[in-house]
Amino acid sequence: QPVLTQSSSASASLGSSVRLTCTLSSGHSFYVIAWHQQQPGKAPRYLMKIENSGTYKRGSGVPDRFSGSSSGADRYLTISNLQSEDEADYYCETWDSVLWVFGGGTKLTVL
Amino acid sequence: EAQLLDSGGGLVLPGGSLRLSCGASGFTFSSYSMSWVRQAPGKGLEWVSGISGSGGRTYYADFVKGRFTISRDNSKNTVSLQMDTLRGEDTAVYYCAKGNDGFDVWGQGTMVIVSS
Repeated sequence: QPVLTQSSSASASLGSSVRLTCTLSSGHSFYVIAWHQQQPGKAPRYLMKIENSGTYKRGSGVPDRFSGSSSGADRYLTISNLQSEDEADYYCETWDSVLWVFGGGTKLTVL
Repeated sequence: EAQLLDSGGGLVLPGGSLRLSCGASGFTFSSYSMSWVRQAPGKGLEWVSGISGSGGRTYYADFVKGRFTISRDNSKNTVSLQMDTLRGEDTAVYYCAKGNDGFDVWGQGTMVIVSS
């Protein structure tokens, strides 16, 4: 089954950009993944889906400050013009025919 | 707008049972797989169980196989999770989530506490 690896934390300044990485395990580099944002005390929120090609599709209402890309087994979430409300945990997710898998999550701090 | 509303959480003794429910609206319920995802206090997201749109196929994480049962009623747009033989490590917020390929709608979550 696929395994997703994320850095535990990241930080960036207000108004800057940050790129978060989600790495797929060996043999699963072609998988599609989804990114979710979880603000403190809230339910997760779907952000986007990213294909192996780098094509991504944002969810309804997700600002265009959020973008996705891909390189090999890595799937990226880039947040531009960071806002204070972007401080949150970010999780990647993937799936196969019989299960769904989450990465461990990245805690983003906006300085 | 697609929405999910989780309910049924509470405090239960170790070895006890609890049934969670999730009501759906704003989308064609029977066209989508539904899942339950949990989050223990201070921890990350963990997929628990899923069910196909028709209800004909069910899927479970190894740590709940034989203890939890997922089901759905497409006439009532609801999905349920029957949790038996509960353990302390099952303590978590449980979310229902919609999606065949990526969870694009989440419920607000319901808290389950397993403690004596």
